[in-house]
Amino acid sequence: QLQLQESGPGLVKPSETLSLTCTVSGGSISSSSSYWGWIRQPPGKGLEWIGTIYYGGSTYYNPSLKSRVTISVDTSKNQFSLKLSSVTAADTTVYYCARYHFGGAYFDSWGQGTLVTVSS
Amino acid sequence: SYEVTQPPSVSVSPGQTASITCSGDKLGTKYVCWYQQKPGQSPELVIFQDSKRPSGIPERFSGSNSGNTATLTISGTQALDEADYYCQAWDSSPVFGGGTKLTVL
Repeated sequence: QLQLQESGPGLVKPSETLSLTCTVSGGSISSSSSYWGWIRQPPGKGLEWIGTIYYGGSTYYNPSLKSRVTISVDTSKNQFSLKLSSVTAADTTVYYCARYHFGGAYFDSWGQGTLVTVSS
Repeated sequence: SYEVTQPPSVSVSPGQTASITCSGDKLGTKYVCWYQQKPGQSPELVIFQDSKRPSGIPERFSGSNSGNTATLTISGTQALDEADYYCQAWDSSPVFGGGTKLTVL
C-alpha cells in the first residue's frame, strides 16, 4: 500500500524559506501515471493546492504562490520536496503531500500532514 | 480564476440521506472528486471522476455531476460519517471547494 510521509522543520522564521520533503514508500515515484503534489490547510480552514510535479520534472504551481514555490523530485530517494520562500505568518498551516492522478484529476493517497509555524 | 462553492454545513439524522452540493460554472463538463476529512486526519478520497468509489469506500457514498452542480450523496448516514467534506474540480489546476461540515444528529 502506498504511503507518503512529510518531514521538515516545524518552525520557520519570517522571511526565510520553508523546506519540506515527502518520502514515498510502497510504490515508485517514477510510476508513469503518477504525479505528486503539495496541498496546505490553515488550522480550521479549507484546502489549498500549492503545486504538482511529475517524476520527469514537469511542474505546475498555484498562480497565487508561483513566485515563491519550488517543487523538485529525487527519484533515487523516492522523494519529492517543497520550498516556499519569503514566508509570513499567513504560511502557518498544515502541509500535506499527496499522489495526484493526472488523468482523473484527483489526489488518491495523502500523507498525514505536518504543521509548519512561521514565527520569530 | 475558477471557483467551486459548497454550503458551510449540512445536518442529517442517522439513517437518512445526506446531500452535499458543489457548484461552479459548467461544472458538469469537468471531473469532480470528493474528500472526507475527520478531525486531526488527512483528507480521504471517497468519490473520483464524478461518481466512482475507491476501493474500500462504502456503497452508501455516491456522486453525480451535471450542469453547474455536483452532488455527494450519503445514503443511510451513520454517525461515523460526520466529517468535513471537500469537493475538488480541475480547471487548468486543482480547485478545492471551501468544505462542508456534515453533522449527524
